[in-house]
Amino acid sequence: EDQVTQSPEALRLQEGESSSLNCSYTVSGLRGLFWYRQDPGKGPEFLFTLYSAGEEKEKERLKATLTKKESFLHITAPKPEDSATYLCAVRAGTASKLTFGTGTRLQVTL
Amino acid sequence: DSGVTQTPKHLITATGQRVTLRCSPRSGDLSVYWYQQSLDQGLQFLIHYYNGEERAKGNILERFSAQQFPDLHSELNLSSLELGDSALYFCASSAGPSSTDTQYFGPGTRLTVL
Repeated sequence: EDQVTQSPEALRLQEGESSSLNCSYTVSGLRGLFWYRQDPGKGPEFLFTLYSAGEEKEKERLKATLTKKESFLHITAPKPEDSATYLCAVRAGTASKLTFGTGTRLQVTL
Repeated sequence: DSGVTQTPKHLITATGQRVTLRCSPRSGDLSVYWYQQSLDQGLQFLIHYYNGEERAKGNILERFSAQQFPDLHSELNLSSLELGDSALYFCASSAGPSSTDTQYFGPGTRLTVL
């Protein structure tokens, strides 16, 4: 069965303090690894899709990378508005579903 | 704004009742997915429809059912509601049925069962 583990569960950073979030996965036949951002009570907002090991994608202060076993979401010089829960999900084989991790709650303070 | 719309935003009902949640996918998307998010379970896949046909089922209870209509909107029906059904219900859509397609999520419906 597909498994996704995210760490840490929670992370508190000061504004400008860069860090990385980890997503470890176990799947058979990865078709895509997806990063989403979710604000409290809102729907997940799509950030990135990574399809193969070695792939990297960037958007503003965020950069996602992928290896054969894990993905990292690097946050450079975060701002308070980056505070949210970041969710990692995988899709494997011909499966319809996304299998989600439990997320990393990020809080960025002034 | 993802372009996926869901109604209602909030729903409060009693145990044993039946409710219907509605979802309209992004313009041009043919796939609709339903997910449940509760505090202790995270986001769980319920069901996938593509162009009106059921494609896959996840951990969906027998008390729950869904359909996708010719205009591509979808409805999730929850019956004989229990306290444990209280959760956020999200709809997502994608262009096609491919497992590489990105799923875009709606704002969700918060269901409270009293």
